[in-house]
Amino acid sequence: AIQLTQSPSSLSASVGDRVTITCRASQGISRALAWYQQKPGKAPKLLIRDASRVESGVPSRFSGSGSGTDFTLAISSLQPEDFATYYCHQFNSNPLTFGGGTKVEIK
Amino acid sequence: QVQLQESGPGLVKYSQTLSLTCTVSGGSISSGDYFWSWIRQPPGKGLEWIGHIYYSGSTYYNPSLKSRLTISVDTSKNQFSLELSSVTAADTAVYYCASQVPVGVTDYWGQGSLVTVSS
Repeated sequence: AIQLTQSPSSLSASVGDRVTITCRASQGISRALAWYQQKPGKAPKLLIRDASRVESGVPSRFSGSGSGTDFTLAISSLQPEDFATYYCHQFNSNPLTFGGGTKVEIK
Repeated sequence: QVQLQESGPGLVKYSQTLSLTCTVSGGSISSGDYFWSWIRQPPGKGLEWIGHIYYSGSTYYNPSLKSRLTISVDTSKNQFSLELSSVTAADTAVYYCASQVPVGVTDYWGQGSLVTVSS
């Protein structure tokens, strides 16, 4: 199975900060990567598919990049509603896998 | 837009079988547009993909669960189901059903159903 390693596992940031989260795959997955945001007690919400395609309705401050084994989720100016846990997810091959998550907390 | 809703017992005894059903609305399971997936999340932990099924009945299971797992589909009811046998405390989790675009992203999720394994 393809392993996804996210870093950092948690971070503290202030409103207005730029935040970046990385996801490294144990083997190349082309651009078959998605990013999800999850808030407590809720199902994950799809933010980005195909490494960089931002979903309709997702604020433009979210962006994704990368291909192959290295990927990044960036939030250009952190807003109060962005404090959550973020997961990367590969759909290149079965079994599908998720990264361990990055918890974004308020500084 | 596809909507999914999990249903089933919230408490299962140790060594018994966990059973959940996902009802799909806003689209037909038989459309062929999606794989129908199960994903779980132990309390305070990350997400684990369990497996998926196509409307034809074709399945793929996570090898870590394969020996205990059955996913089935009932196209007449627009539902698909999960059975996980010989459960232990490690199977305590929120179980989500979801739709996955073939060779693509998992886009729609149910709200999740907490299943606790009790001794």
